[in-house]
Amino acid sequence: AQKVTQAQTEISVVEKEDVTLDCVYETRDTTYYLFWYKQPPSGELVFLIRRNSFDEQNEISGRYSWNFQKSTSSFNFTITASQVVDSAVYFCALRPPDRDDKIIFGKGTRLHILP
Amino acid sequence: NAGVTQTPKFQVLKTGQSMTLQCAQDMNHEYMSWYRQDPGMGLRLIHYSVGAGITDQGEVPNGYNVSRSTTEDFPLRLLSAAPSQTSVYFCASSYSGPGTEAFFGQGTRLTVV
Repeated sequence: AQKVTQAQTEISVVEKEDVTLDCVYETRDTTYYLFWYKQPPSGELVFLIRRNSFDEQNEISGRYSWNFQKSTSSFNFTITASQVVDSAVYFCALRPPDRDDKIIFGKGTRLHILP
Repeated sequence: NAGVTQTPKFQVLKTGQSMTLQCAQDMNHEYMSWYRQDPGMGLRLIHYSVGAGITDQGEVPNGYNVSRSTTEDFPLRLLSAAPSQTSVYFCASSYSGPGTEAFFGQGTRLTVV
């Protein structure tokens, strides 16, 4: 069975602190794809990053970074020097390689950045 | 580029009424899907389609129908609305190629009274 678990339901940090959002996935496929999406208070879903299972390099984009570890089936997301605008719900997702298979989302982590 | 367009943005229905949520995309994506988002439940897949004429059930399909007569459109029909269907509904589309991300519509907030 394929599954994405975001164990942190809600996190609150003070502005400028670093925060890590956890994502653990389950799959039997050797090839798969992982994603992070952001849902700000306005409600839309914004794509942040994609990672394939063969690329374990960490990725950094400005204050955002992602740590992919196949050994622990984790794809964690860190925000450095958080800002109030980072307040949102963040979703991790898994896409199997088969074109006929569905995209699986975690339940999301609600992040509050306090001024 | 319009991307993924959902209509309406808001809707109030009475129990037992039927309605169709519209979803259209102009990116020639083969894969389209409908999700519902409820507090604490994340995004749950209702139905999805990998191409025109092909649909399949997701995690929570009961009470909903879909059809895919064209590549562009993927309407979601509520057959007889129930208060348990009060939710925010998202339509998404993507290429069917491996690893392609989904593009989401703005969402439809549906309330069934």
